[in-house]
Order: sequence, then C-alpha cells, then structure tokens
Amino acid sequence: NAGVTQTPKFQVLKTGQSMTLQCAQDMNHNSMYWYRQDPGMGLRLIYYSASEGTTDKGEVPNGYNVSRLNKREFSLRLESAAPSQTSVYFCASSPLFGGSSGYTFGSGTRLTVV
Amino acid sequence: AQSVTQLGSHVSVSEGALVLLRCNYSSSVPPYLFWYVQYPNQGLQLLLKYTTGATLVKGINGFEAEFKKSETSFHLTKPSAHMSDAAEYFCAVSPSGGTSYGKLTFGQGTILTVHP
Repeated sequence: NAGVTQTPKFQVLKTGQSMTLQCAQDMNHNSMYWYRQDPGMGLRLIYYSASEGTTDKGEVPNGYNVSRLNKREFSLRLESAAPSQTSVYFCASSPLFGGSSGYTFGSGTRLTVV
Repeated sequence: AQSVTQLGSHVSVSEGALVLLRCNYSSSVPPYLFWYVQYPNQGLQLLLKYTTGATLVKGINGFEAEFKKSETSFHLTKPSAHMSDAAEYFCAVSPSGGTSYGKLTFGQGTILTVHP
C-alpha cells in the first residue's frame, strides 16, 4: 500500500550541483505534480503532468525540469542548484486531471542548498 | 485565477475546545474545495472535500467544513480538540473549469496548537 514514493528523503547540495528527485506512484493515476513548500507560503506548483507524455509549467518552474518517464514515474531535475531552491519538495498524483478526487501526496524530499 | 486565504497562521486552543480554522477563496468558476492536514515531517493527508451537493461536509478525525458560496468561505471546524489534532492545516481550491482547471492552489497554512 505504498501510494506515492519519493526518493531521496533528505539531500544537501552545493550551489551549482545538479540532482534529480524521483517520484513513483502505484495507484494507476493519470496525473502527477511537483510542489515546493516554504514556510508561510503554502505549497506552490512547479510542474505537472496531466497524462503520460505531457508536462506543463506551474507557478514556479524556473530552475527546474521534469520528465514523465512512464505512467508511474515523474522526476524533477535541478540543473544548477541555488540556495533559493532550499525547500521541501512534494510529489502528488491524482486519478484524473481536473477531477474532484484531490491529490495523494508523497512524504517529501527535504533539500538544502549551501 | 483562483486564490486561497487562510486567516491566522497560528491558532492555539485548549484540549476539548472548539477548533475553527478559517479559509476564504476566490474563483471565477465553481470550485472544488479541500482541507489537508500535515503532521510534522510528513506529507499532506486529505481531511475532507467539497465538490457538489451538500454544503456541510464531514471528514476524518471528527472534522467538518461548510461551503458558503455567498461568503466564499470554507471554514474547518471540530467540536472538541484533541492533542493529536496538533498539526498544520491547508485549505486548497481547484476550479471546475477555466484556464486553471486541474491545478490545486493552496493557502499559506495554519498551524494548530492544542494545549492541555
């Protein structure tokens, strides 16, 4: 009963380094999302994939890229990390894009860029 | 575009007291509305949601919320707080149509503290 699995759970990067955050869901959901959470700002949408084969920018896409590898997996890449990208990153999925079911969230990746 | 405002970044109540967390939204089309809870170092868990129909919705752990269209509000309540309710709560809106269709927009969050 895994739901949405994110790896790694914690990561420290130096400014300029790159890394990929992994996300996989086992619920046969069509849509997947990446959010970042910062204190006092709630969650902000970085990128989303409405269905396999499509990706689109959200509210704060600068400095990030995504890949919908298959229906299960949606990765987030930081090409050149900056201190402003220090945050907690959440992956989420939903059965359909635009449906009323809400999202299922992973447990998050806590990223620190020094 | 839609937006969500949660009034009060911190709310403190005594155990057994009423919990009231406030949420107002703006949306140009009928919204779907959600409340999520986040316990420390965990992801977000769905508490309850409003889609259509009955405006008073019940969720897990004794929480409920009422959709008031005229006030554009979706406040979360629980009659009697328990220590285990201490967490951060997020209100979220997703429009049922329009250019922001399919995207969930979150409020800033309210941290609920429950003291003995």
